[in-house]
Amino acid sequence: NAGVTQTPKFQVLKTGQSMTLQCAQDMNHNSMYWYRQDPGMGLRLIYYSASEGTTDKGEVPNGYNVSRLNKREFSLRLESAAPSQTSVYFCASINRPGANNQPQHFGDGTRLSIL
Amino acid sequence: QKEVEQDPGPLSVPEGAIVSLNCTYSNSAFQYFMWYRQYSRKGPELLMYTYSSGNKEDGRFTAQVDKSSKYISLFIRDSQPSDSATYLCAMSDADKLIFGTGTRLQVFP
Repeated sequence: NAGVTQTPKFQVLKTGQSMTLQCAQDMNHNSMYWYRQDPGMGLRLIYYSASEGTTDKGEVPNGYNVSRLNKREFSLRLESAAPSQTSVYFCASINRPGANNQPQHFGDGTRLSIL
Repeated sequence: QKEVEQDPGPLSVPEGAIVSLNCTYSNSAFQYFMWYRQYSRKGPELLMYTYSSGNKEDGRFTAQVDKSSKYISLFIRDSQPSDSATYLCAMSDADKLIFGTGTRLQVFP
């Protein structure tokens, strides 16, 4: 049972390049989340999808777009990468739709550097 | 002021010590409290989950919530080198989930 799988694990981009971060979960969970983790800032929510077919902005959505491809997959896209988007990105999921008081299951992250 | 405050550490203790990790918060509507453990280059994993005030114990770990003081704690007894990780608190009012910045713990043999 893989849980939450993120690809790629590492990536280096140049400013202005675009990229899609992939996330897939095999737990049949309804809600999925994208966070970024920066030193001294903790985990900050970028976007979330409470259920298949819906997406909503989180705390720091600017510069990102998301797609809930199906129940398993939730992708995060950087259309024109900026150095300020250098971070570690985590995908998470929970079973109950939109139950933000429930513990989340996390992937192991994508480490993204933008030069 | 951040809704959740957590000392980033690092906290360095000898093996066998009792460790106390803490978070304070400002939103009195928070009712759900969690502690996550995050090893280097890994995602956070849930360690403890409590609702409202009181204590919860699981093996060497005890979570405490004091809603009157807006203060939560995680105690680790008989700490082991394998406990070396970053510990994040998280709390929710059922509408949103807010994470602390994490405290880095190092347990040396």
